[in-house]
Amino acid sequence: DAGITQSPRHKVTETGTPVTLRCHQTENHRYMYWYRQDPGHGLRLIHYSYGVKDTDKGEVSDGYSVSRSKTEDFLLTLESATSSQTSVYFCAMGTSGADTQYFGPGTRLTVL
Amino acid sequence: EDQVTQSPEALRLQEGESSSLNCSYTVSGLRGLFWYRQDPGKGPEFLFTLYSAGEEKEKERLKATLTKKESFLHITAPKPEDSATYLCAVQVSGANNLFFGTGTRLTVIP
Repeated sequence: DAGITQSPRHKVTETGTPVTLRCHQTENHRYMYWYRQDPGHGLRLIHYSYGVKDTDKGEVSDGYSVSRSKTEDFLLTLESATSSQTSVYFCAMGTSGADTQYFGPGTRLTVL
Repeated sequence: EDQVTQSPEALRLQEGESSSLNCSYTVSGLRGLFWYRQDPGKGPEFLFTLYSAGEEKEKERLKATLTKKESFLHITAPKPEDSATYLCAVQVSGANNLFFGTGTRLTVIP
């Protein structure tokens, strides 16, 4: 859906380097989420935000931080990337915590 | 422990051959059950939300149903363009995230 985009779409980086992934939405949704998707696992929540500057941890938050300074942007940062963080990362948005979540196109991250 | 299990892992159907995908769940309290479709290299695309046992939703060749323990996604007379991975997710009462199953990879052969 064009209402939510992610950048970059693909990234290759080296172990120990910082990485920031960006999610941008044009729907003015209050809630935004970061998930990762790995073979053999369902999508797993990393962090989510319920408003500007309001964030909380998800199931697999270790090694990740997030920031939300504007309604439309939600950033995911890997402070020091590790090979275990090689994954496909999806951003999602929703109007409330109980509402349907709409997903972005994903970012494929490879950590060498 | 909250758990979502989808079966089968993979399903191959001939075009026109109807079938069902299963999503069984064990959660402390169900707020909603969601079905998504995911094509290779793309993000999940929302299909349905079900909130209470007995509820049904339909869209084209797809019909989703919900009981107290499981949900089915029925595919009637599938076409090759229905080939995708179908994901089931639950939202637990009091939580803000979705808890996903690992998906069913559907292939429809012309």
